[in-house]
Amino acid sequence: DQQVKQNSPSLSVQEGRISILNCDYTNSMFDYFLWYKKYPAEGPTFLISISSIKDKNEDGRFTVFLNKSAKHLSLHIVPSQPGDSAVYFCAASAGAGSYQLTFGKGTKLSVIP
Amino acid sequence: EADIYQTPRYLVIGTGKKITLECSQTMGHDKMYWYQQDPGMELHLIHYSYGVNSTEKGDLSSESTVSRIRTEHFPLTLESARPSHTSQYLCASSDEIGDTQYFGPGTRLTVL
Repeated sequence: DQQVKQNSPSLSVQEGRISILNCDYTNSMFDYFLWYKKYPAEGPTFLISISSIKDKNEDGRFTVFLNKSAKHLSLHIVPSQPGDSAVYFCAASAGAGSYQLTFGKGTKLSVIP
Repeated sequence: EADIYQTPRYLVIGTGKKITLECSQTMGHDKMYWYQQDPGMELHLIHYSYGVNSTEKGDLSSESTVSRIRTEHFPLTLESARPSHTSQYLCASSDEIGDTQYFGPGTRLTVL
């Protein structure tokens, strides 16, 4: 049973527009959420995170929104650039004391020039 | 910037061979992890370590073994490789449990 779900396997966006990647989770114990970016044949690179005490966190072009009541988070990339084309993984942790990150299956983002 | 290294990056090997995948980090992190990922799938935790001489199995059953003799080094060994072991193996480390994990570049293993 998948506890972290990324229901869109792929997303195509025009350069300069907004990319919105979505993630849903089922485990109410999760209180720390992360987004990673992964290029083929490379390891995931940490992008941005959010704690459950916040509903928004921003870092440059990347913003993560958390809706705890809906158990939903999203990553916004504005403006999208061709170099953003990669697979994006959502991950969740039950916080301090939890050794494990639970990952979604990823969404492949293609930014079209 | 995270400094975590994995070697080899790519490995093609025959069935029955013993292999060791290397992972080292220079961040002084106590916590280290091994994940396995197949294309289009999520990352699955196969081993983790809280510190020197501490190793635990993750949620995904794996025939591999790990050791943690030094803080910076967390190698993974397969005693007898099989085609079912073909996958990407990713090593990660973190400062604290539940904290952000930083990943190495991965090893793409193909067993013929």
